[in-house]
Amino acid sequence: AQSVSQHNHHVILSEAASLELGCNYSYGGTVNLFWYVQYPGQHLQLLLKYFSGDPLVKGIKGFEAEFIKSKFSFNLRKPSVQWSDTAEYFCAVNAPGYALNFGKGTSLLVTP
Amino acid sequence: GAGVSQSPSNKVTEKGKDVELRCDPISGHTALYWYRQSLGQGLEFLIYFQGNSAPDKSGLPSDRFSAERTGGSVSTLTIQRTQQEDSAVYLCASSPRTSPTDTQYFGPGTRLTVL
Repeated sequence: AQSVSQHNHHVILSEAASLELGCNYSYGGTVNLFWYVQYPGQHLQLLLKYFSGDPLVKGIKGFEAEFIKSKFSFNLRKPSVQWSDTAEYFCAVNAPGYALNFGKGTSLLVTP
Repeated sequence: GAGVSQSPSNKVTEKGKDVELRCDPISGHTALYWYRQSLGQGLEFLIYFQGNSAPDKSGLPSDRFSAERTGGSVSTLTIQRTQQEDSAVYLCASSPRTSPTDTQYFGPGTRLTVL
């Protein structure tokens, strides 16, 4: 069965530090990849997604992710985090089919 | 515009009781999904509906769980004879079409606590 692994469960960073959250998936065919974010007390919302084309995808709030097919990875990055980026981040894949298969999530705390 | 809405926001029930959770998708969205979010298990897919087609029930954990979608809009997730392990946040999402590249828009969830 396909799976999605997020390597870091809890990350603590100071403001202005760079962020990289790891995501690996196990599926050999065509994949659609997503990063969702859940801010405290809010709904899950889409940060960015990749399904074809340029493997470097830019999303909202300065986030980007790079799809590396050979590594089965879709890591999320942001050059300089802000306190408002404190949230839980979920990587997801929906291959095959339509339902999203989520990783366990990474809790990010940004300290002032 | 209005997003996905869910009711109730919180539900506390006793073990063995049945519960119904409701989801109102974004108007015009043809696809509707149910997930649950629990400690230790993360986010798990339960069921999805696409238009008037038969739903994909492959994620339902047991036959105590069922869902229906009336008129291609509102959906109800029913859990019969609730167990303590059913305690979780139940999330509903909708998307404009049944395309795997479409963004799924999530509701606020229903927090279910089974005592």
